[in-house]
Amino acid sequence: KAGVTQTPRYLIKTRGQQVTLSCSPISGHRSVSWYQQTPGQGLQFLFEYFSETQRNKGNFPGRFSGRQFSNSRSEMNVSTLELGDSALYLCASSLGFFGTEGPEGTQYFGPGTRLLVL
Amino acid sequence: QKEVEQDPGPLSVPEGAIVSLNCTYSNSAFQYFMWYRQYSRKGPELLMYTYSSGNKEDGRFTAQVDKSSKYISLFIRDSQPSDSATYLCAIVDSSASKIIFGSGTRLSIRP
Repeated sequence: KAGVTQTPRYLIKTRGQQVTLSCSPISGHRSVSWYQQTPGQGLQFLFEYFSETQRNKGNFPGRFSGRQFSNSRSEMNVSTLELGDSALYLCASSLGFFGTEGPEGTQYFGPGTRLLVL
Repeated sequence: QKEVEQDPGPLSVPEGAIVSLNCTYSNSAFQYFMWYRQYSRKGPELLMYTYSSGNKEDGRFTAQVDKSSKYISLFIRDSQPSDSATYLCAIVDSSASKIIFGSGTRLSIRP
């Protein structure tokens, strides 16, 4: 079974621009979560989508948004980029929604999109 | 105080040694616990998850949870150079739909 895929893998943008990242979950997985990873803050939860609905949101400004399509693919958008948005953005998918006990709730991560904001 | 504390290392041990990686947490409501391994330039890979206090073993890996002390550990036996990676603990509070990751411990196994 193919794993979680993310595109693009690398991206360079300038301050003020906006960016859209894409995530294709493992086939059959209905939950997609997004994370930001930086050396200073570590891995931080952004939001989770399940069946096209945002279920949970982390403590990030409204410039960070996302959506999920009927085929469970998800996109994340960051508007008005800031230098501090430079990070590795990871997507993870699971069968069940976030917090489900057991294998259904187990999240599998993609390789990430490395975003550099200049 | 961070909700999850993890020693960032780096930790360097010789091949074949037993490795002990640890996290402490502050909220007794946290319900289940995971360990991820992350190689350079890759996404985290789930190694183990466990819900209850006690030990869970999978091959060379043993996860240990002590809920009374709010302490979790990952032991790696017969460590190999291929185990060199960053190890992240993750703790889930299902009722709050919250997951918190430790900062990660960089581990290097010397041949």
